[in-house]
Amino acid sequence: EDKVVQSPLSLVVHEGDTVTLNCSYEVTNFRSLLWYKQEKKAPTFLFMLTSSGIEKKSGRLSSILDKKELFSILNITATQTGDSAIYLCAVEGYSGGSNYKLTFGKGTLLTVNP
Amino acid sequence: EAQVTQNPRYLITVTGKKLTVTCSQNMNHEYMSWYRQDPGLGLRQIYYSMNVEVTDKGDVPEGYKVSRKEKRNFPLILESPSPNQTSLYFCASSAEEWDPYGYTFGSGTRLTVV
Repeated sequence: EDKVVQSPLSLVVHEGDTVTLNCSYEVTNFRSLLWYKQEKKAPTFLFMLTSSGIEKKSGRLSSILDKKELFSILNITATQTGDSAIYLCAVEGYSGGSNYKLTFGKGTLLTVNP
Repeated sequence: EAQVTQNPRYLITVTGKKLTVTCSQNMNHEYMSWYRQDPGLGLRQIYYSMNVEVTDKGDVPEGYKVSRKEKRNFPLILESPSPNQTSLYFCASSAEEWDPYGYTFGSGTRLTVV
């Protein structure tokens, strides 16, 4: 059974701090790893990391994938109160034939205080 | 605007009264999926569909049914809802071929079964 473990489950920082969120996984036939940000409603897409793209950066957010050690990290530098959210890590794996499924971790709740 | 539309956004119902949550996407995506999100358990997949008339169980399918008669629609049916199905439900879609934008989520349906 595919498994995704995120840590920490909860984190409180001050504006301006840098945070690192962790995601480790076990999946059969890895296809991709995705990071999402969830505020009060639907998850919104941040990054997709694959065998051919193991490092992504967008503004203050960056992510790397270590396929050998089966983990990913999401870095947020110079945090702002608007970064407060649940950050979800999900792994996509092939489940047979051309079928694939997405398995989510439980998320990391990040709170950024002014 | 490319989007996944779920209805209703909020629903309170009584045990045993059949209900349907609709999901529609306008991106011509092949892949659609339903998730439920519960505190401490994260997002768990209920059912998914690779294409029209092709559906398969996710991790928590008990008590749910789905159908995929058209590419754009993927309704979630609760034939006899029970209180343990009180949850926040998300529909998501993606292109079957490599989609660099990951999965697009609907805005969610908060269901309460009393």
